Amino acid sequence: AQSVTQLGSHVSVSEGALVLLRCNYSSSVPPYLFWYVQYPNQGLQLLLKYTTGATLVKGINGFEAEFKKSETSFHLTKPSAHMSDAAEYFCAVTLSGNTGKLIFGQGTTLQVKP
Amino acid sequence: DSGVTQTPKHLITATGQRVTLRCSPRSGDLSVYWYQQSLDQGLQFLIQYYNGEERAKGNILERFSAQQFPDLHSELNLSSLELGDSALYFCASSVDAGTYEQYFGPGTRLTVT
Repeated sequence: AQSVTQLGSHVSVSEGALVLLRCNYSSSVPPYLFWYVQYPNQGLQLLLKYTTGATLVKGINGFEAEFKKSETSFHLTKPSAHMSDAAEYFCAVTLSGNTGKLIFGQGTTLQVKP
Repeated sequence: DSGVTQTPKHLITATGQRVTLRCSPRSGDLSVYWYQQSLDQGLQFLIQYYNGEERAKGNILERFSAQQFPDLHSELNLSSLELGDSALYFCASSVDAGTYEQYFGPGTRLTVT
């Protein structure tokens, strides 16, 4: 069965600093991987996804993530944090097939300090 | 705005009661998913429908049921409510039943008192 582990429930960075949110997955077959962001009192918004092909994927708002099969990781990065990036971030996995049900990590709350 | 609508936004009800949550998917999307978000369990997949038929089931309690109607909107029915059912319930939709990105609605916050 697939699972997702997000290392660090809370991450705090200064405005302008690098953002690194960690995600490791467990899957017996090649997974499809996603990062979603949830702003307070809102639904989840897709940041980026990896299905096949290029392992470095770029998303919205300057975020990117790299799929590393050997490390079973899909860490999310952004070179320079902005105050508006403060939110909760979820890594999710699903498997190719006829259902797209997502398995989510526990989430990481990103705090951006001025 | 994802294009997915959910009603109501908030729902407060008593233990033992029954409620219905409604979801309208994005135009053209055939698949609807329901997720529950709670502090102790995190985000959990409940159930998926594709073009009116149940496609996948997750950790959905027997007291919960769902359906997708011919116009593709979906309803999640929660009965014999318990305090522990208090959570945020999200609906998401996707074009197909496979691994396409899902678009989430704003959620319905259910409080059971």
